[in-house]
Amino acid sequence: SQQGEEDPQALSIQEGENATMNCSYKTSINNLQWYRQNSGRGLVHLILIRSNEREKHSGRLRVTLDTSKKSSSLLITASRAADTASYFCANPRMDSSYKLIFGSGTRLLVRP
Amino acid sequence: GAGVSQSPSNKVTEKGKDVELRCDPISGHTALYWYRQSLGQGLEFLIYFQGNSAPDKSGLPSDRFSAERTGGSVSTLTIQRTQQEDSAVYLCASSPGDRVETQYFGPGTRLLVL
Repeated sequence: SQQGEEDPQALSIQEGENATMNCSYKTSINNLQWYRQNSGRGLVHLILIRSNEREKHSGRLRVTLDTSKKSSSLLITASRAADTASYFCANPRMDSSYKLIFGSGTRLLVRP
Repeated sequence: GAGVSQSPSNKVTEKGKDVELRCDPISGHTALYWYRQSLGQGLEFLIYFQGNSAPDKSGLPSDRFSAERTGGSVSTLTIQRTQQEDSAVYLCASSPGDRVETQYFGPGTRLLVL
């Protein structure tokens, strides 16, 4: 399977704390993306980082990419209860960029 | 503008029955995708449509699965002779044809096969 892995599988934190999720992938990539999924429904695209970038910010989100280790991390700072969701990393296949390979996801619970 | 819509939201069917799932992509998006998500898992690619090109059906798990896209817009995913292992959330996504890397997802159809 080309599917990547995410860790931890589940994370529970207090509101206001930072949440860090990690993703490992198996193949070479052009870019890596992070998505959020609420209540097992549709995914929302959060951020895309290209293979020649090492870090990217968007609001309270910070994504890092280490292509030598085939890994990425998503940091959510000053978490809110509304951040409670599942978070997935995904990367397009090199030979078919429209085929996104998703990780198994991290379930984040932010306690009020 | 309106996002990707899917219908029905939920579908319960009996083993052996056929089901049709519908997807309305974002207007103007030429690329359309179907994914399947089993409970607690990541997404599994099923099929990809791009404009008038032949679809990439390489992710369809068996010949019981088929999909059509009429007029380059609405798509229907059909599962024939449903099995219990077909129970999952079926997600549709679309994107502009020149930016297939970023996909916009619908809310999904939750299918339960009894």
